[in-house]
Amino acid sequence: QKEVEQNSGPLSVPEGAIASLNCTYSDRGSQSFFWYRQYSGKSPELIMFIYSNGDKEDGRFTAQLNKASQYVSLLIRDSQPSDSATYLCAVTTYSSASKIIFGSGTRLSIRP
Amino acid sequence: GAVVSQHPSRVICKSGTSVKIECRSLDFQATTMFWYRQFPKQSLMLMATSNEGSKATYEQGVEKDKFLINHASLTLSTLTVTSAHPEDSSFYICSARGGREDYNSPLHFGNGTRLTVT
Repeated sequence: QKEVEQNSGPLSVPEGAIASLNCTYSDRGSQSFFWYRQYSGKSPELIMFIYSNGDKEDGRFTAQLNKASQYVSLLIRDSQPSDSATYLCAVTTYSSASKIIFGSGTRLSIRP
Repeated sequence: GAVVSQHPSRVICKSGTSVKIECRSLDFQATTMFWYRQFPKQSLMLMATSNEGSKATYEQGVEKDKFLINHASLTLSTLTVTSAHPEDSSFYICSARGGREDYNSPLHFGNGTRLTVT
């Protein structure tokens, strides 16, 4: 079982709709969770981080964390073509606290 | 804040030569930096953790004699790919936590180095 799993996509969403990206992790002791956006040929950029169960909102982005289900998601409201990218879920694992482990990423495509 | 600079952004080298990649934290000090590698359409794979003033910690399967890491100061880590081969062609990205050695703080990435070995 991979430590951090994401559906590779592509996920196609119409412009203006809500895009929902999901991620599960295997280490129950994981403490911090991150969402990065990566455009093709570029390095990842941080979108959001979340540490506690529940929702965290930042502009059009909402991160949701459910530690009991070992599940973290990212919602993008009012999707724009510029949101088309690969979204990487990352987790700081309890077993190796200094490292951040990345999922394989979900490719999101916003169609006009 | 938390700017990580990586150089060069792109390098082409011949098989058998060595290539050095620099990673600098511009506005903060980083006792720890992380080196990732990414092959096309794949995720980021952690290669090693670079520790200022001590030896790097390599992930399983990463050859420490091939990928030499030096972290001589609080703002600079270097990765040297020795005796490069075409299979080493990849996107190499360094990262650091933004001035806080808090395990829960996020990583900030350099712009990456696209290595092509011919």
